[in-house]
Amino acid sequence: EVQLVESGGGMVQPGGSLRLSCAASGFTFSNYAMSWVRQAPGKGLEWVSGISGSGDSTYYADPVKGRFTISGDNSKNTLYLQMDSLRAEDSAVYYCAKDFRGIYGSKSYYEYWGQGTLVTVSS
Amino acid sequence: QSVLTQPPSVSGAPGQRVTISCTGSSSNIGAGYDVHWYQQLPGTAPKLLIYGNSNRPSGVPDRFSGSKSGTSASLAITGLQAEDEADYYCQSYDSNLRGVFGGGTKLTVL
Repeated sequence: EVQLVESGGGMVQPGGSLRLSCAASGFTFSNYAMSWVRQAPGKGLEWVSGISGSGDSTYYADPVKGRFTISGDNSKNTLYLQMDSLRAEDSAVYYCAKDFRGIYGSKSYYEYWGQGTLVTVSS
Repeated sequence: QSVLTQPPSVSGAPGQRVTISCTGSSSNIGAGYDVHWYQQLPGTAPKLLIYGNSNRPSGVPDRFSGSKSGTSASLAITGLQAEDEADYYCQSYDSNLRGVFGGGTKLTVL
């Protein structure tokens, strides 16, 4: 059974940093691309970042480019999102999502989602 | 101001058919990229409903169907049931922005 469990959310001041983790199980982690998708309170879904299964290729949405870094540790079956220079508009529930194949790209869609972790950026 | 435009809300009585539209542009749906649909029940994570425009994952009832034409796509739900009340999101790819979602549509079962 595929399971994705996010952790690392919390409250942080503007300008601060946070690292989210997503522990994966039930599939061969290195064979699948992964993404982070966020949802601000009462709002819709927003794709944030994607990474290929090999970890060689990473992609970012414009609002987070240069501030967020996605990475994966295949030995720990864990996906990460390092978030720096956080802003109030980054406040959201962050979901990790498993792609249906190993490459992130134009055909990507998400078969499985974690339960999400809440990030609140506020002074 | 989502890249993909969905109606904020739709409603229907039990047993009826409803459709949810997803309108894009020449840089996403119109460019030939696939459209996928997700259902999000209150307080839960999204769940894949339709992939590759019209394909249903195993376990998704055939009451749910998807289609795509030009720069738009649609999700149809027939035989509406109370448990279908949820938010629905379309997703595609954009040549300039990469992953994109619609703003979401709240389905109310009357």
